[in-house]
Amino acid sequence: GENVEQHPSTLSVQEGDSAVIKCTYSDSASNYFPWYKQELGKRPQLIIDIRSNVGEKKDQRIAVTLNKTAKHFSLHITETQPEDSAVYFCAASTSGTYKYIFGTGTRLKVLA
Amino acid sequence: NAGVTQTPKFQVLKTGQSMTLQCAQDMNHEYMSWYRQDPGMGLRLIHYSVGAGITDQGEVPNGYNVSRSTTEDFPLRLLSAAPSQTSVYFCASSSSRGDEQYFGPGTRLTVT
Repeated sequence: GENVEQHPSTLSVQEGDSAVIKCTYSDSASNYFPWYKQELGKRPQLIIDIRSNVGEKKDQRIAVTLNKTAKHFSLHITETQPEDSAVYFCAASTSGTYKYIFGTGTRLKVLA
Repeated sequence: NAGVTQTPKFQVLKTGQSMTLQCAQDMNHEYMSWYRQDPGMGLRLIHYSVGAGITDQGEVPNGYNVSRSTTEDFPLRLLSAAPSQTSVYFCASSSSRGDEQYFGPGTRLTVT
């Protein structure tokens, strides 16, 4: 069945360093790839998304890259800050189906 | 707009009891979904709906029922609770005009 693998499960970085989280999807029909941030005890919130007709998208310190051929996409956070500490989830979906498959999450810790 | 709301926030059930988790949205979104979140397993889709009167199963539908009689409401029913259903449950909605999902605040359910 459809599957999204996410690595690493935990990631610790020094404040100011960059963080990269990677996801691989199995369904070649997937064309929408959102990333969610979830702080402790809170709901997941969308931070950035990318569609399959785009290879890269950037929003300030956050960027996402997509390699359709290899079926993987990555989240890049630069100049990390303590408030970036959270669990990050990737997901894959096919537009119009509204059925999302999520990765298992990455707990990011930014050390001051 | 209240966005996506869920009740209750917390619930403790005994094995075999039944209950309904409520979810409502005031954004006139066509699409609504239920997820469960367990440690290390990310968000898993239970059931979803693409409009009033239309529902479908996700990855982990067993033990749960849903119905969608109105656009606004999408309740999740546990007919006979089991300890394996101890989890945090999130409801989400999205519009046919875009793919972004909006999550509710979650319900933490414990089955003893």
